[in-house]
Amino acid sequence: GNSVTQMEGPVTLSEEAFLTINCTYTATGYPSLFWYVQYPGEGLQLLLKATKADDKGSNKGFEATYRKETTSFHLEKGSVQVSDSAVYFCALRYKAAGNKLTFGGGTRVLVKP
Amino acid sequence: NAGVTQTPKFRILKIGQSMTLQCTQDMNHNYMYWYRQDPGMGLKLIYYSVGAGITDKGEVPNGYNVSRSTTEDFPLRLELAAPSQTSVYFCASSAPDETEAFFGQGTRLTVV
Repeated sequence: GNSVTQMEGPVTLSEEAFLTINCTYTATGYPSLFWYVQYPGEGLQLLLKATKADDKGSNKGFEATYRKETTSFHLEKGSVQVSDSAVYFCALRYKAAGNKLTFGGGTRVLVKP
Repeated sequence: NAGVTQTPKFRILKIGQSMTLQCTQDMNHNYMYWYRQDPGMGLKLIYYSVGAGITDKGEVPNGYNVSRSTTEDFPLRLELAAPSQTSVYFCASSAPDETEAFFGQGTRLTVV
C-alpha cells in the first residue's frame, strides 16, 4: 500500500539556519504530495503541495520539489525563524488508492533565537 | 467561511462512558475523514467517507463508529471509552480529486 516516511525529530536549529526535512514515499502510481504544518495547540494547515513530477511547491519561504526518480518530496527553507517552530507532516493522496490522505510520522522542529 | 468545525474542543470521559464527536463542513466536500493523533505521534486514520451513506474503515477503527447521513456532517461515536482512546481527534474534508484536505481544530479527549 501507499506509505510516507519522513525523518524523525526533533530537529533543533538556530534562527537563520537552513532547514531540510526529508520525505520519501511509496506508491503504486503518481500521487499528489503535500506538506502540512501544525503549530502548537492547533490543527493542521496546508503548507504547500505538488501534483505531478518535477512540480515545485512553495509558500512562506518553504519549498519542496516532487522527485519521481527518487520518490521524494523534501522540505527546505533557507533561513528559519522562531515562528517556524512546529510539527511538519508529509502526506500523499492518490486517487487510484481511494483518495485517502496518508501521513508520515511528523517531524518536530524547534528554532531557537 | 467556517470550513471544518469540530465540537467539543475538550472533553474528559470516564471509562465506559459514550460520546459523539461532532464534525461539520460547509465546503460541499464529498470526502470526510477522522484521524487520531497520539502524543508525539503522527496521524492515524480511523474512518473515512466518500459521500453521504458511504463509510469505510481506516487503520485504527476498533472502538469507534461513524455515520454519514448528510454531506455536511460526519460524527464519530465512542461507545465504551477506554484509556487507550485518550488522544486528539481531527476531522478533515476534501474534494474527490487529489487536492488538499482541510482540517478542523481538533478535539482533545481524555479518558480517565
